[in-house]
Amino acid sequence: QVQLVESGGGVVQPGRSLRLSCVASGFNISNYGVHWVRQAPGKGLEWVAVTWYDGSNNWYADSVKGRFTISRDNSKSTLFLEMDSLKVGDTAIYYCARGRNRWFPLDYWGQGTLVTVSS
Amino acid sequence: DIQMTQSPSTLSASVGDRVTVTCRASQSINNWLAWYQQKPGKAPKLLIYKASSLESGVPSRFSGSGSGTEFTLTISSLQPDDFATYYCQQYNSYSWTFGHGTKVEIK
Repeated sequence: QVQLVESGGGVVQPGRSLRLSCVASGFNISNYGVHWVRQAPGKGLEWVAVTWYDGSNNWYADSVKGRFTISRDNSKSTLFLEMDSLKVGDTAIYYCARGRNRWFPLDYWGQGTLVTVSS
Repeated sequence: DIQMTQSPSTLSASVGDRVTVTCRASQSINNWLAWYQQKPGKAPKLLIYKASSLESGVPSRFSGSGSGTEFTLTISSLQPDDFATYYCQQYNSYSWTFGHGTKVEIK
């Protein structure tokens, strides 16, 4: 069955970096877009970024553009999110999620990993 | 970015009620709209895609309608398992955006 498992969350100081990973199983990641979506404690959902198919085409939310980098290693069925210059406002649960194609939303989600940015 | 405005933010209803949630986009998104259900401590679950298509395995009491900038999610007869928060999401533009959510509470 389709599974997405995130890891790499933790507590980090403002201005520092953190790298999240998401391992996919049950499907061929190279045939899908894979996204990151975050949710601040007690708040709504915010789409963060997507990497399409071979990783050559990536899109970002304005709130993270220039600070976050999404990438993928299809040979390892793994998605990454490199987060630099972290801010207190980046504190959230980070979910990875799958999209069947450009014109389809997010049909499978991981359980999320918590990132806390605090001094 | 395209802004998504959901209303109401909170809705109190009873089992068996017909419930409607509205989502408005700041510009036309054609029919590229999805609805998700999220329960506390859980990841969101896809209910509706392309404004009105029911995702596989989702009960038929859920339905979606609308086009352009105005969309609705309807639950025809609210069940105990449906008390949750519902989000709309547009995927028309290069930057996908969610609505702020509608919490459906027990009346």
